[in-house]
Amino acid sequence: GQSLEQPSEVTAVEGAIVQINCTYQTSGFYGLSWYQQHDGGAPTFLSYNGLDGLEETGRFSSFLSRSDSYGYLLLQELQMKDSASYFCAVRSYGGATNKLIFGTGTLLAVQP
Amino acid sequence: ETGVTQTPRHLVMGMTNKKSLKCEQHLGHNAMYWYKQSAKKPLELMFVYSLEERVENNSVPSRFSPECPNSSHLFLHLHTLQPEDSALYLCASSHRDAGELFFGEGSRLTVL
Repeated sequence: GQSLEQPSEVTAVEGAIVQINCTYQTSGFYGLSWYQQHDGGAPTFLSYNGLDGLEETGRFSSFLSRSDSYGYLLLQELQMKDSASYFCAVRSYGGATNKLIFGTGTLLAVQP
Repeated sequence: ETGVTQTPRHLVMGMTNKKSLKCEQHLGHNAMYWYKQSAKKPLELMFVYSLEERVENNSVPSRFSPECPNSSHLFLHLHTLQPEDSALYLCASSHRDAGELFFGEGSRLTVL
C-alpha cells in the first residue's frame, strides 16, 4: 500500500522558520510535491522534488531524500498569510498515467 | 481564477436524489481527476481520466459515476448517496505526465 505521514499541527510566530516533515511508503515513486490550502480554498501547488536535494522558491524550500523516503517543506520569514494546511503528496506512476497520493496535511498556525 | 471551475460550490441533497457535479478546465490539460476531501482525512483519489479515458478507479462505490465527455469537462454523477458521503469534492487537471495538479475550489456536498 501507499502511505504518507506528516505532523497534524504546527505553530510558529511571524518572522520565524518552520519545517514540515513528510515520510512516505509507496511503490513506483516518481517524486514528492507540496501543496498549500487555505481554509475554504483550493489546494495550490508549491513545489516538486523529483531528485534528491533542495529546491528553493522564494521563501519556501523543499527537500527530498529518496533513500530515506523522507522530505520536508521549509518556510522562512513566516507571515500571517502562511497560516494554512500544507500537504505532501507522492507522485507515483501506475496504469496509464501519473497520480498524486496525499498525506493528511499539516495545519500551520502563524501567530503575531 | 484558478483555471479549473467547479459547479455547484455547495450542494445539499437527500439520499434518494440524483445530482451531478461539474468541472471545467481551460488550461489545455489532458488529464483530469476527482478527489474527495473529508475532515481529518487525506485527500482521497477517486477517479483519473487521461486523454478522456478512465484509467483509475480507486474502489469507489457505484453510487458515484464519473463522466468525461472531452478533455475540458468532467462530471461526477451522484445517486442514492449516504450521509457519510458528505465532503468536499475537488476536481483537478494536469498535463498527463506532469507533477503539478491544478485544483478547482471544490463542491461542498451535504447528504441529509
